[in-house]
Amino acid sequence: GAGVSQSPSNKVTEKGKDVELRCDPISGHTALYWYRQSLGQGLEFLIYFQGNSAPDKSGLPSDRFSAERTGGSVSTLTIQRTQQEDSAVYLCASSLVGGPGTQYFGPGTRLTVL
Amino acid sequence: GQQLNQSPQSMFIQEGEDVSMNCTSSSIFNTWLWYKQDPGEGPVLLIALYKAGELTSNGRLTAQFGITRKDSFLNISASIPSDVGIYFCAGRVTQGGSEKLVFGKGTKLTVNP
Repeated sequence: GAGVSQSPSNKVTEKGKDVELRCDPISGHTALYWYRQSLGQGLEFLIYFQGNSAPDKSGLPSDRFSAERTGGSVSTLTIQRTQQEDSAVYLCASSLVGGPGTQYFGPGTRLTVL
Repeated sequence: GQQLNQSPQSMFIQEGEDVSMNCTSSSIFNTWLWYKQDPGEGPVLLIALYKAGELTSNGRLTAQFGITRKDSFLNISASIPSDVGIYFCAGRVTQGGSEKLVFGKGTKLTVNP
């Protein structure tokens, strides 16, 4: 597709379960970012992938959060043993490093932990 | 770490009024971006600013990159109901080949018809 896509659009899970969120970036974009947005709040940086470099994980809130980017394209954000405070919208963005630097966002995955 | 102070947090205006919001920081950024987020959607880029002092328009939107590179403002003229949403500023940081954005906390705009 032409834009960033994310799946699922909504995810409801029970406390303690693991969840996987997927992001398909814009084709050719070398950088991929994950953000978390709690209700009515701004964007909290989680993790950043750029090409083959080691990811910048400085924003991950705990070791229950991890992410992978396979083949320099699709990324998966995994949250293990989910807690109620993990409920938020998880946004993915991609950009062309070395270009204008503007990030293009997907529609997000709304995660609800019961 | 770097932070952006975005104000106001929220605005309630009448259709047809002009709107102004701004972001300031103690840090220098080499790019300023303004995004709009509609309910249930991801943020969409409105305007990108790349040079200190740059003034850029996109329809009824005008944004400026502050001369000190530490601030930016966004103006919306003659607001319409579809301008409703949350507006975010973002500053781009490039460091050792790494690029990240720092976001403000957003300005929630409500337009009364």
